[in-house]
Amino acid sequence: NAGVTQTPKFRILKIGQSMTLQCTQDMNHNYMYWYRQDPGMGLKLIYYSVGAGITDKGEVPNGYNVSRSTTEDFPLRLELAAPSQTSVYFCASSTGQGTYGYTFGSGTRLTVV
Amino acid sequence: AQSVAQPEDQVNVAEGNPLTVKCTYSVSGNPYLFWYVQYPNRGLQFLLKYITGDNLVKGSYGFEAEFNKSQTSFHLKKPSALVSDSALYFCAVRDAGGYNKLIFGAGTRLAVHP
Repeated sequence: NAGVTQTPKFRILKIGQSMTLQCTQDMNHNYMYWYRQDPGMGLKLIYYSVGAGITDKGEVPNGYNVSRSTTEDFPLRLELAAPSQTSVYFCASSTGQGTYGYTFGSGTRLTVV
Repeated sequence: AQSVAQPEDQVNVAEGNPLTVKCTYSVSGNPYLFWYVQYPNRGLQFLLKYITGDNLVKGSYGFEAEFNKSQTSFHLKKPSALVSDSALYFCAVRDAGGYNKLIFGAGTRLAVHP
């Protein structure tokens, strides 16, 4: 049971480039989330999804886009990368019921130069 | 506004001594509270949660947390610290807006010295 898998683990982007951060879960969780982690700031919610075809903005969505075509996958797209998007990105999933806790991926460390 | 505060950036404790990592919250309605731990270059791991019931919640790796409604606090505790407990600890509260969104504190780095 792999849980939540994120790829790549590390990436360096130049300003203005774009990329997709991949997230896949094999637990049949309906709820999925993208957070960014900045030093001393904790985790901030970027986007979330409550099921295939349903997504919504979190606290810091600007500069990002998401899609959810299947239950398993929840990719995060960065268009026109900016230095302010340098961060560690975490994907998480949850059943949304009962346990309420998250299962996190191992993260993607992104540097924009 | 809903929020979580972890007032200490870092907590230092000697191995074998008790440890406390502080957390206070502000949320409308009944709080659902969580503690997560992050080891270097890893994702966050669930430690424990408070949903309802006993104010003292027991979790993984010998950790426990005490919910105090009057002080709006949910402090993480362990009777005897281990060097291997050294990590970054996050307190979180469920967003009252639904969809199981979590609001995280800034994190507290715990350093346990031999």
